[in-house]
Amino acid sequence: QVQLVQSGAEVKEPGASVQVSCKASGYSFSDYYIHWVRQAPGQGLEWMGWIKPNSGGPKYAEMFQGRVTMTSDTSIRTAFMDLTSLTSDDTAIYYCVRDPDIPEEDFDSWGQGTLITVSS
Amino acid sequence: EIMLTQSPGTLSLSRGERATLSCRASRYVDSGYLAWHQQRPGQAPRLLIYAASRRATGIPDRFSGSGSGTDFTLTINRLEPEDFAVYYCQQYGESPRTFGQGTKVEVK
Repeated sequence: QVQLVQSGAEVKEPGASVQVSCKASGYSFSDYYIHWVRQAPGQGLEWMGWIKPNSGGPKYAEMFQGRVTMTSDTSIRTAFMDLTSLTSDDTAIYYCVRDPDIPEEDFDSWGQGTLITVSS
Repeated sequence: EIMLTQSPGTLSLSRGERATLSCRASRYVDSGYLAWHQQRPGQAPRLLIYAASRRATGIPDRFSGSGSGTDFTLTINRLEPEDFAVYYCQQYGESPRTFGQGTKVEVK
């Protein structure tokens, strides 16, 4: 079955960078987009951007331009999201989400989430 | 960007009742590209409905979606204990993708 397994929780100091990984299984990795969505504690969902392994993007939400980098490695079926210059406002659960390359369909499978805590 | 406004913020209902959740877009959602996601406490969201009215794989038929243009509805018939959760609408008709702020369905 389709699975997106993310890396574990991390604690970072303000100003640091973080990388979150998302390992895919159960489907053809290159045929689907991977999006990243975050959720601050007790808050709603915020879209960060997407990448299509080997063929498309990345495309980032305007508010993250210059601070986020999304990459993928098809040899290990893994997508990565790097976020720099962290502040306390970046404390959140970060999710990777699969998106079929079909116009009618969208976020059909979510990773389990990775909690990133920014604190001194 | 398209803003999505969900109402009500909280819905207090009993098991077996029907829940009706609303999602209003600030402008037309292209081709009805509107999804609903459920998030149970401590879990990741999961897709319930896509293209406004199509149930995702494995979703029980007590969940149904309707609407077009700027007004969309999620209906949950005969609430089960596992249905008490937060529900988010999400549009994917244009970039950036956006989400509503969520409706919490809680036990009355």
